[in-house]
Amino acid sequence: QVQLVQSGAEVRKPGASVKVSCQASGFTLSNSGVTWVRQAPGQGLEWMGWISVQNEYTDSAPKFQGRVTLTADRSTNTASMELTSLRSDDTALYYCARKVDHYDSSGYDLGSAFDIWGQGTMVTVSS
Amino acid sequence: DIRMTQSPSSLSASVGDRVSFTCRASQSITTYLNWYQQKPGKAPKLLIYAASSLQSGVPSRFSGSGSGTDFTLTITSLQPEDLAIYYCQQSYSTPWTFGQGTKVEIK
Repeated sequence: QVQLVQSGAEVRKPGASVKVSCQASGFTLSNSGVTWVRQAPGQGLEWMGWISVQNEYTDSAPKFQGRVTLTADRSTNTASMELTSLRSDDTALYYCARKVDHYDSSGYDLGSAFDIWGQGTMVTVSS
Repeated sequence: DIRMTQSPSSLSASVGDRVSFTCRASQSITTYLNWYQQKPGKAPKLLIYAASSLQSGVPSRFSGSGSGTDFTLTITSLQPEDLAIYYCQQSYSTPWTFGQGTKVEIK
């Protein structure tokens, strides 16, 4: 079964760090990218960043630059996201998803999309 | 950053209705536009990529159209299981951004 399985819920105090893992099963991450998206309670989706598992290239949203670290371990087929200096407004459900690139029959780039999602990891930041 | 604006924010329709909602980008994104469905308590699911390509396994009642700055998602015959929030997302340039969502309710 093709799926991404994320680590369990976390509770942290303000100023602490959290690391969320995302393990692929049924496919290899080596040929993929992994993106991270979060969703605050009752709110919409917010893109955080992505990592190319093949070459470990990363790109993150300016809002998170300096606080987020994206890594991948090909040996365990796992990607991870670490967020530091946590604040109460970092309380959210954090999702990983596989990033795939689409091309048409002529090889024209049709862009990227997120086709397999993890179940989400709730991170609560509270004193 | 490219801002994505969806409208309406919510709609209510009956089973069997044809429903459409829109997504507007703050600048041209050609066809680098994806649509996701998020059912209550679930992770998002990819429906449409590249503005109009149906993701494998997604029912054919879903379709997408548009290019440039204006895009539309259409459900030709609304089903009870389509109760969800629908998000558009641009992959033209990072930071990739989502619209705020359109909530679809069943009358």
